[in-house]
Amino acid sequence: DTGVSQDPRHKITKRGQNVTFRCDPISEHNRLYWYRQTLGQGPEFLTYFQNEAQLEKSRLLSDRFSAERPKGSFSTLEIQRTEQGDSAMYLCASSLDSRMNTEAFFGQGTRLTVV
Amino acid sequence: QQPVQSPQAVILREGEDAVINCSSSKALYSVHWYRQKHGEAPVFLMILLKGGEQKGHDKISASFNEKKQQSSLYLTASQLSYSGTYFCGTGGYAGGTSYGKLTFGQGTILTVHP
Repeated sequence: DTGVSQDPRHKITKRGQNVTFRCDPISEHNRLYWYRQTLGQGPEFLTYFQNEAQLEKSRLLSDRFSAERPKGSFSTLEIQRTEQGDSAMYLCASSLDSRMNTEAFFGQGTRLTVV
Repeated sequence: QQPVQSPQAVILREGEDAVINCSSSKALYSVHWYRQKHGEAPVFLMILLKGGEQKGHDKISASFNEKKQQSSLYLTASQLSYSGTYFCGTGGYAGGTSYGKLTFGQGTILTVHP
């Protein structure tokens, strides 16, 4: 296992289209996080999972965003009816049980461009 | 609230030292430091927990001052490979169960010249 992998690395879509991103965490990690990063800013929290349970979702996340982690392994993030403001890097990270405050490892991200 | 990092940017020559600060308006439980190079994923550097501990490896170390609600990252004898954007992320804590999410600062751009 070489780390967190995300697919695709780049996605260009027309405004109004739906897009779906995939994240495969480090295999023994039970926590999985989604962040969004725009140019010149730090990653912004979107949501996270403990195994298959979605424990928290940012209030900044509109109803157009949905995330799943059906079997507690990989996760998908879907954005419906994309808007130009959704253009950003979407980062996935994973960690062991965070009560131990272990480090989170990030994937390379999916860069979304909405035209 | 987002932690505040200072300075926003630092330019160094190889071998010089730098300090990056991360301040929070809320009580801190944990601080996580990452470095991100352009177009790459953030890379974990270290984590500090409530208790004022100091950690380090190689020539990079960090401290956690609970009273000041601040963490500092120290880079000594900087190398060209240290160039990148440094982010601190603060972790929450509530009722014995820590939050998984991190709230990141806006980043500090570090440039090391030969």
